[in-house]
This record gives sequence, C-alpha cells and structure tokens, in this order.
Amino acid sequence: DGGITQSPKYLFRKEGQNVTLSCEQNLNHDAMYWYRQDPGQGLRLIYYSQIVNDFQKGDIAEGYSVSREKKESFPLTVTSAQKNPTAFYLCASTLSATEAFFGQGTRLTVV
Amino acid sequence: GENVEQHPSTLSVQEGDSAVIKCTYSDSASNYFPWYKQELGKRPQLIIDIRSNVGEKKDQRIAVTLNKTAKHFSLHITETQPEDSAVYFCAAKARIKLIFGTGTLLAVQP
Repeated sequence: DGGITQSPKYLFRKEGQNVTLSCEQNLNHDAMYWYRQDPGQGLRLIYYSQIVNDFQKGDIAEGYSVSREKKESFPLTVTSAQKNPTAFYLCASTLSATEAFFGQGTRLTVV
Repeated sequence: GENVEQHPSTLSVQEGDSAVIKCTYSDSASNYFPWYKQELGKRPQLIIDIRSNVGEKKDQRIAVTLNKTAKHFSLHITETQPEDSAVYFCAAKARIKLIFGTGTLLAVQP
C-alpha cells in the first residue's frame, strides 16, 4: 500500500511536554512538508524539506522542530515552547512541480 | 513573505449553478498552482492543477484559469452537485515552497 502515513491519528499532550508526530512516505518523493490546520485559517506551513539533512522554516516554525535523516521520514516535534499546539497537523510529500500527497493527519490536543 | 489570498471564505449555491473561487499569489517565482478539496475530517485531495505556461485547464465540470500578469488564478465548478460541498484550497508553489490559501467552504443546496 503506497502512500504517506501519519501516526498517531489522535494525540494528547500535557502542558510542558514535547511530543513527536510521525510522517513516513514510500513514494520516493524528495520534498516533504508539515502544515498546521486551524478552523478558518487554512493550511499554514510549519517546515519543509527538499532533501535529506536539509529543511527550512515555514511561516509558523516557532515552537516546532523537525529532522530529515532519511528520505522516507520527516518527523515533527511540538515543543513546550509552542503555546497553542491544539490543531490538526498534516504532512505532505511531492516530486518537483507535481501533486502533493497528504497523510491522513494527526489531531493534537493539549489536556 | 509569500502569501496566497483566497476569496470568498464561504460560498453557498443552488444545485446546478456555477461556483467560482478566486486566489491571488505574491511570489512571482510561483510556477505551479494546484487546487485541493477537503471533506470533513479527511485529508485534502487534488482536484485540478495548472502550470505557469498554461492559461486554462479543464476537467469535466472543473476548470482553472491563470493570469500570470495579475497573479490571479481561479477555480470554476459548473453544474454543481451536493457532493461538491467541501472546503476548497488553492495553493502556489515557488521552487519547493508550497503555500496554501485560507480555504473556501462551498455549500451546494439541493
């Protein structure tokens, strides 16, 4: 089953905790992205990566960190510095100027 | 920084009518413009895209137009059906950075 997989589907975080969201793709795509979705605000870019060991900040990178140690994997860590982390997080991957494929998303809630 | 503006934020039409959603982008290096449909609780899925060397593209009831000079692109849905009800996002890609608009909630009334 080819595609892009995010886990977990639901995640609960206590105040002050760091949590890591997983994103794996077997599409052999070079570029990967993380977006945050809040109601009425569309998809806001957190981080993106073109190749292994290289990534750039998007528009709302504060309080988040990423790594790209393997082409297939692009995990996102939501740190305690992110003051309002409750949101729906979407990972995507793409080849050059072609369609971006999305994972099914992770809904993160602070409890 | 780069941004994509999308209008309207909500759109209600009667079944069978047409719907038009408009976007404006700021980065002149943008060369790829996809449109995504997102149903409630699901991931966005591509419905149509256009590249900067093309002015118009059509796929059955869906069409997209691009005006590079004005940095505008639009989605046109004809003969709307209730199953077209969803949130639609436009996006613009410059190099590898892919920026989305804020979305349009389309409601098709039967």
